[in-house]
Amino acid sequence: EPEVTQTPSHQVTQMGQEVILRCVPISNHLYFYWYRQILGQKVEFLVSFYNNEISEKSEIFDDQFSVERPDGSNFTLKIRSTKLEDSAMYFCASGNTGSSSYEQYFGPGTRLTVT
Amino acid sequence: GQNIDQPTEMTATEGAIVQINCTYQTSGFNGLFWYQQHAGEAPTFLSYNVLDGLEEKGRFSSFLSRSKGYSYLLLKELQMKDSASYLCAAAELDSSYKLIFGSGTRLLVRP
Repeated sequence: EPEVTQTPSHQVTQMGQEVILRCVPISNHLYFYWYRQILGQKVEFLVSFYNNEISEKSEIFDDQFSVERPDGSNFTLKIRSTKLEDSAMYFCASGNTGSSSYEQYFGPGTRLTVT
Repeated sequence: GQNIDQPTEMTATEGAIVQINCTYQTSGFNGLFWYQQHAGEAPTFLSYNVLDGLEEKGRFSSFLSRSKGYSYLLLKELQMKDSASYLCAAAELDSSYKLIFGSGTRLLVRP
């Protein structure tokens, strides 16, 4: 069964450093997303990507964040200068519409720890 | 505004049936999702409802009433492995199907 994959599973970085989180969405999906979940809190939407451009972003997704789809398979989230409060699980998701349904699948996540 | 409400915790017995309720208020509405999340893991897709009514998928069923802004997830023949958080999430109309999540309901299944 196709699945969303993410690397790395765990990233530890120092405050102020840049990190790139990587995702490979399900191959025939058209919508791509990044969400995050701070420990003990709800899952929060960051950004959606469709047709090679950002379609929506949340207030969290400020100038420190960027996304790219550098080739036909990878989807990346970059945080330019990490802050302590960026520590969270980051989930990539991809989705597709059907005739009467929609499914959105999550990858296993990258645990980002900023020290 | 956007608001998704669901109970914080529920407890049930192995083999029983449990219903987890969710009410939502969004700017528009493009479907209601349920996910299962075990501690430290990713949300796993369970169901998507966009039309009123009940969708059954094995031991799990999901119901939606758009006029009431209400959904529930029904789990039958509970197993110990069903102990997890269950996340209700709404997709907004005219959006990229971004999901607005509730805080999740932590279900504990006891023997």
